[in-house]
Amino acid sequence: AQKVTQAQTEISVVEKEDVTLDCVYETRDTTYYLFWYKQPPSGELVFLIRRNSFDEQNEISGRYSWNFQKSTSSFNFTITASQVVDSAVYFCALSRSDYKLSFGAGTTVTVRA
Amino acid sequence: DAGVIQSPRHEVTEMGQEVTLRCKPISGHNSLFWYRQTMMRGLELLIYFNNNVPIDDSGMPEDRFSAKMPNASFSTLKIQPSEPRDSAVYFCASSFRAGYNTGELFFGEGSRLTVL
Repeated sequence: AQKVTQAQTEISVVEKEDVTLDCVYETRDTTYYLFWYKQPPSGELVFLIRRNSFDEQNEISGRYSWNFQKSTSSFNFTITASQVVDSAVYFCALSRSDYKLSFGAGTTVTVRA
Repeated sequence: DAGVIQSPRHEVTEMGQEVTLRCKPISGHNSLFWYRQTMMRGLELLIYFNNNVPIDDSGMPEDRFSAKMPNASFSTLKIQPSEPRDSAVYFCASSFRAGYNTGELFFGEGSRLTVL
């Protein structure tokens, strides 16, 4: 069985603060993919990143960075110098090497000006 | 390039009525997914098509739900008869699947269904 846990339900920060979203996953597969999606107030789901289980290299994309640690089954996401436009619900998801994504419950991030 | 296009964006109907949600995937994508999002259950996969063929419909709640993909550029999700507990946001997503690699899912803006 696969499971994704996002323990933080809501996070509220002031603009320019850093915010880290936790994601812990469970799987018995040796090959799997991890994702982060953003759901802004407009409702659509926006792809942010995909990592496969064989690549533990951390990644940085602008103000976004991801820390993948297989030893702790975690795939955490950090927004540096947050902006109001970062306000959204962020979902972590897990997929086997086939097709079905298991989503976490999501973390609502509110960035106040 | 156009993304995944869903219609209608909002639908309000009465219990017992038939509801049809539509999806146009991204051109060139060979996989299509219908997801449902509710507060109680989060995001759930309803059905997955690959090359227009339903591969996994284990997430379809019951016989009242049906989905079709008559061609590579169109899919429908039908609920008949609808019930209040079907109220949710229904997302369509598409991707290009090569071998066992599902690829990045591109989601539509969703269809918000309210059944009174």
